[in-house]
Amino acid sequence: DTAVSQTPKYLVTQMGNDKSIKCEQNLGHDTMYWYKQDSKKFLKIMFSYNNKELIINETVPNRFSPKSPDKAHLNLHINSLELGDSAVYFCASSQVLTGELFFGEGSRLTVL
Amino acid sequence: KNQVEQSPQSLIILEGKNCTLQCNYTVSPFSNLRWYKQDTGRGPVSLTIMTFSENTKSNGRYTATLDADTKQSSLHITASQLSDSASYICVVSADRGSTLGRLYFGRGTQLTVWP
Repeated sequence: DTAVSQTPKYLVTQMGNDKSIKCEQNLGHDTMYWYKQDSKKFLKIMFSYNNKELIINETVPNRFSPKSPDKAHLNLHINSLELGDSAVYFCASSQVLTGELFFGEGSRLTVL
Repeated sequence: KNQVEQSPQSLIILEGKNCTLQCNYTVSPFSNLRWYKQDTGRGPVSLTIMTFSENTKSNGRYTATLDADTKQSSLHITASQLSDSASYICVVSADRGSTLGRLYFGRGTQLTVWP
């Protein structure tokens, strides 16, 4: 039933490790996103994909690599994790770029 | 520069009281404005959308207004309930044709409703 699901919900790891977060949407939307929410609750766009093609890349370090195997999935892989990567990462989808966003429940990443 | 400013940053009210949250934006060309509610530990959920021609729209106890001339929006919550405690985020869309449909986020207003 879940419209946008992301896993894992919590992730605790050491600096320097590599980790992935997976996202799937069953809404039939064409556009998917990754957002980062910092400790002050500000949501910042990281990436946007439309029909598996990257359309927005907001000056995110190249340690972050999104991958969209099909338009229902958008995964986020992070290499060489740093302390500053600790945040809540939200996956979202929408029918069009200016449409209503449907968010997942978030993945809280803690880098020690 | 396209920006979205929300005020107040945080607000505490007693259950049953009304409150109004503000959103000012400089996004241009304007496409639409949405208010999202984010409960603690959850993803944001859309409450309402305002387009250029709309001045007021209600969704239950939530009423949003838009003044496209002054580039201001407000979200009024009537007869607040404990479940209204959340962060309210204003998101403004830039016109798709000229700026590829970008979204601009405010930093949110953290509302706490006390019994």
